[in-house]
Amino acid sequence: QKEVEQDPGPLSVPEGAIVSLNCTYSNSAFQYFMWYRQYSRKGPELLMYTYSSGNKEDGRFTAQVDKSSKYISLFIRDSQPSDSATYLCAMSPSGGYQKVTFGIGTKLQVIP
Amino acid sequence: EPEVTQTPSHQVTQMGQEVILRCVPISNHLYFYWYRQILGQKVEFLVSFYNNEISEKSEIFDDQFSVERPDGSNFTLKIRSTKLEDSAMYFCASSSPGLAGGLTDTQYFGPGTRLTVL
Repeated sequence: QKEVEQDPGPLSVPEGAIVSLNCTYSNSAFQYFMWYRQYSRKGPELLMYTYSSGNKEDGRFTAQVDKSSKYISLFIRDSQPSDSATYLCAMSPSGGYQKVTFGIGTKLQVIP
Repeated sequence: EPEVTQTPSHQVTQMGQEVILRCVPISNHLYFYWYRQILGQKVEFLVSFYNNEISEKSEIFDDQFSVERPDGSNFTLKIRSTKLEDSAMYFCASSSPGLAGGLTDTQYFGPGTRLTVL
């Protein structure tokens, strides 16, 4: 079983739709959960991070972590064409000083 | 807003040659990392560096790789004898120390260096 599993997509949605992106993981040691956005041939850009279980909201973005199910989600409300990118889930045992393990990324296209 | 910078943006080299990839982490950060991403694959951890020594490295980071912080601002990754399979995007990242007794901040990534080995 892979440590972090993420559907690579692609996922195409119309502008204004609610987007749901998900990852599952197998390592119980993960406590720090992140979502990065990556444009083609660019570096990952941090969107949100969450410690342990729970929800976190930032503008149109909501991150959810369910440690009991080893499942994390990112919701994007009122999606815009500028949201078109690859979204990487990432996680680490505890904070930024330990290695981050990434999912393969889900490619999202928001169609105007 | 502070950001991690990397040079060069694209490096082309011949197999067997040495390359040095350079990074300038965010100025108050103390933890530094290198990751790589082969085209179409996931971002993979290579090495972490703190207090002038390697704190963790992956199986990928073998004797052909080395890291150095030659001065107060730069962080470098050297590949001694490049192979075709070293062709990838290489990302530098940095993070700051956390509050006393707490977690460190998460990692911030640079734009990457695309390494092409011919």
